[in-house]
Amino acid sequence: LAKTTQPISMDSYEGQEVNITCSHNNIATNDYITWYQQFPSQGPRFIIQGYKTKVTNEVASLFIPADRKSSTLSLPRVSLSDTAVYYCLVGDTTGGFKTIFGAGTRLFVKA
Amino acid sequence: EPEVTQTPSHQVTQMGQEVILRCVPISNHLYFYWYRQILGQKVEFLVSFYNNEISEKSEIFDDQFSVERPDGSNFTLKIRSTKLEDSAMYFCASSPGGQIGSHTFGSGTRLTVV
Repeated sequence: LAKTTQPISMDSYEGQEVNITCSHNNIATNDYITWYQQFPSQGPRFIIQGYKTKVTNEVASLFIPADRKSSTLSLPRVSLSDTAVYYCLVGDTTGGFKTIFGAGTRLFVKA
Repeated sequence: EPEVTQTPSHQVTQMGQEVILRCVPISNHLYFYWYRQILGQKVEFLVSFYNNEISEKSEIFDDQFSVERPDGSNFTLKIRSTKLEDSAMYFCASSPGGQIGSHTFGSGTRLTVV
C-alpha cells in the first residue's frame, strides 16, 4: 500500500468549502484513492473513491491530477456535523484484505 | 441501509480475564475484519477472515487473540487474558469483496481493562 501524507488538522467555519489534500508520491498504476470519515467513538465510514480526474457524489468531490501523486477531498459548505477525522488511503482494489489507516486529518468546523 | 452490529457497546473487564466481542456482519458480505483504535490513536488492522479461516493478521494479533464465526451470522473476537494495554475501541467490519473502500464498519465496542 502506498504511503500517504495529509495535514494533521484543519479548522474551518460553517458554510465554507474545505479542501483536504493528500500526497501519495509512490502510487502504483493499479492503485485507487479512497477517503474515509470517522466521527468520535464511531467506526470509519467510506466517503468517496477515485482513480483519476474528478469524482463527485452526494457528500464530496475528489480531485486527482494527471500524475496522480496527490488528491484533494473537497467538502462543499461544511456544517458543524462535518467535524471528524478524514483518512486518505491508496491501494489496489483487487488485492489485499486489510485497510491500513494513517493518522488522518482532524477537521474542526466552527460556528 | 444495512449495517454491522456490535455488542456490547462498552465492556469493562479485569486484567487477566477473557472477553468475547461480538459482531453481526452484513448478511451477504463474505469478508470480515477486526480493527482496534486506542484512544487518540489511529485505527489499526488486527485480522481478516474469509471462507472460515484467517486471511491475514497483523503483529498485534498474537496468541492471545482468536476469531470465530460460530454460526452463519456472528463473528467474534476473543481475547484470552486481557492486559491493560488491550483497552481500546474494537471495530468489526465486513465487505462483499476484498477491495479497499468496500468495508462497512460497526460502531465499535469500547473495552476497558482495569
